[in-house]
Amino acid sequence: KAGVTQTPRYLIKTRGQQVTLSCSPISGHRSVSWYQQTPGQGLQFLFEYFSETQRNKGNFPGRFSGRQFSNSRSEMNVSTLELGDSALYLCASSFTGKEGTEAFFGQGTRLTVV
Amino acid sequence: TQLLEQSPQFLSIQEGENLTVYCNSSSVFSSLQWYRQEPGEGPVLLVTVVTGGEVKKLKRLTFQFGDARKDSSLHITAAQPGDTGLYLCAGARKTDSWGKLQFGAGTQVVVTP
Repeated sequence: KAGVTQTPRYLIKTRGQQVTLSCSPISGHRSVSWYQQTPGQGLQFLFEYFSETQRNKGNFPGRFSGRQFSNSRSEMNVSTLELGDSALYLCASSFTGKEGTEAFFGQGTRLTVV
Repeated sequence: TQLLEQSPQFLSIQEGENLTVYCNSSSVFSSLQWYRQEPGEGPVLLVTVVTGGEVKKLKRLTFQFGDARKDSSLHITAAQPGDTGLYLCAGARKTDSWGKLQFGAGTQVVVTP
């Protein structure tokens, strides 16, 4: 079974630009969540999509947005990039079974804003 | 402020020693997971605990979930250099959807030969 796939792995952007990151979840998983990881703040929840609907949103500015397609693939967009947006962006697909909630992460996209 | 407090933040030990990492909160979680993360990679799920008081063993790793489902611990017996990594606990609160995980800040474990 293929894992969570994130593209691209690395990105370098200039301040003020926008960026789109992509995530393909594990087949059969309908929930996709996005997290930002930085050395100072750790892993911070951005948002969660389930069946093409945003089900939860973290405390990030409106420049951060996302969407989910009918095949459960998800994209995350950041507009008007700032230096502080440099981080590892992680996507996780999850489901709840008899073992409880389990989230599986992709390798992440390393975004550097210069 | 992290909802889940992990301690210690950093642990450096010799191969063969034992170690314990703690994860505490004032909130109740419907489930709690432990992950290990290597630099530049995504976290890899080690275990999920669901029932208060539950103990799970994965080879040399033992995971406990507190009776009140507010805390957890990870114990590694006879640590090996391959155990080096950032250990993260994460929980799904009963009031949140299952896709919203709260993460601890992590414990960096270094095991030297």
